[in-house]
Amino acid sequence: EVQLVESGGGLVQPGGSLRLSCAASGFTFSSYWMNWVRQAPGKGLEWVADIKEDGSEKYYVDSVKGRFTISRDNAKNSVYLQMDRLTVEDTAVYYCTRGTSGAQGYWGQGTLVTVSS
Amino acid sequence: IVLTQSPGTLSLSPGEGATLSCRASQSLAGNYLAWYQQKPGQAPRLLINGASSRATGIPDRFSGSGSGTDFTLTISRLEPEDSAVYYCQQYGGSSSFAFGQGTKLEIK
Repeated sequence: EVQLVESGGGLVQPGGSLRLSCAASGFTFSSYWMNWVRQAPGKGLEWVADIKEDGSEKYYVDSVKGRFTISRDNAKNSVYLQMDRLTVEDTAVYYCTRGTSGAQGYWGQGTLVTVSS
Repeated sequence: IVLTQSPGTLSLSPGEGATLSCRASQSLAGNYLAWYQQKPGQAPRLLINGASSRATGIPDRFSGSGSGTDFTLTISRLEPEDSAVYYCQQYGGSSSFAFGQGTKLEIK
């Protein structure tokens, strides 16, 4: 059974940093692109970033470029999202997802990031 | 690419059929269009990818169609548990993954 478990969310002040983690199990982690998707309270879904199987390619939505960094450790079956220079607009539930034929086939339960003073 | 979903809200009765629309601002190469269902307090669930292929475990009451810029999610024989927000998403092409704004389906 595919499982994705996010952690690392919490309350942070504007300008601060946070590192999200996603532990994967139930599939060959090193064979799949991984993604982060977020959802602001009461709003729709927004894709944030993705990373290729071997970590050699990474892509970001424009609003986080230069502030967020996605990475992965295939030995630990984990993907990470380092978030720096956070703003109130980054407040959201952050989901870790696994690609399935390009779409987001599997989702974690999400972790809430609140940016507030 | 911008995806526009309509209607914003749809209210129907059990047993009826629902038609949800997703229009892209430009043609989607390879029909790389997915549909997701999200219930309150839950993560989204993939229903359809490649515009018309049901994901694993999705009942055949859910079907996707369309190509180019116009796509449709059809749900037949509505059940109360189909109440949710439905999102379309385009994928492919330099990791571009835009979502539509969602359609809220209410079953009363």
